[in-house]
Amino acid sequence: DIQMTQSPSVLSASVGDRVTLNCKASQNINKYLNWYQQKLGEAPKLLIYNTNNLQTGIPSRFSGSGSGTDYTLTISSLQPEDVATYFCFQHNSCLTFGSGTKLEIK
Amino acid sequence: EVQLQQSGAELVRPGTSVKLSCKVSGDTITAYYMHFVKQRPGQGLEWIGRIDPEDDSTKYAEKFKNKATLTADTSSNTAYLKLSSLTSEDTATYFCTTGMAHWGQGVMVTVSS
Repeated sequence: DIQMTQSPSVLSASVGDRVTLNCKASQNINKYLNWYQQKLGEAPKLLIYNTNNLQTGIPSRFSGSGSGTDYTLTISSLQPEDVATYFCFQHNSCLTFGSGTKLEIK
Repeated sequence: EVQLQQSGAELVRPGTSVKLSCKVSGDTITAYYMHFVKQRPGQGLEWIGRIDPEDDSTKYAEKFKNKATLTADTSSNTAYLKLSSLTSEDTATYFCTTGMAHWGQGVMVTVSS
């Protein structure tokens, strides 16, 4: 199975900061990488699909990039409502999630 | 707008089975692979498997191959997840999702005697 490693596990940042979350695959996943936001007590929400495609209705401050084994989710200007856990998910083969990054406001 | 409505919370005995439903509205389920995802309390997400309602073909994560069974009923636009031989390790919230894009609200399954 493809292992997905997210870093950091917890990230604390200030409102307005540019924030970068990382996801590393154990092998090439050919950009088949989605990012999800999960707020406490809610279902996950799709933010980005296939590395860099913004899902309909998601604010443009969210963006994704990467290739091969290394991928990032960037929030250009952190907002209070972005407090959540973020998961990456590879759907290249044997579909797997990363362990998540918990994003907090300082 | 695609919406997914999952069945209600379950309290089940160890060793038994439970069947969870996921009804899709706003589109036909044959337009998507229907996936199911597990989340234990305070933990991350685990992909269980998916079904193609068009031909009932399924694919499972290795660890769920003897635990989960996915089915679909195109007449009612509903997908199902059956979990068998339940243990405390199966206590979790289970989500359904259309193509990993739209998600149901989740259903809590508690396995306890």
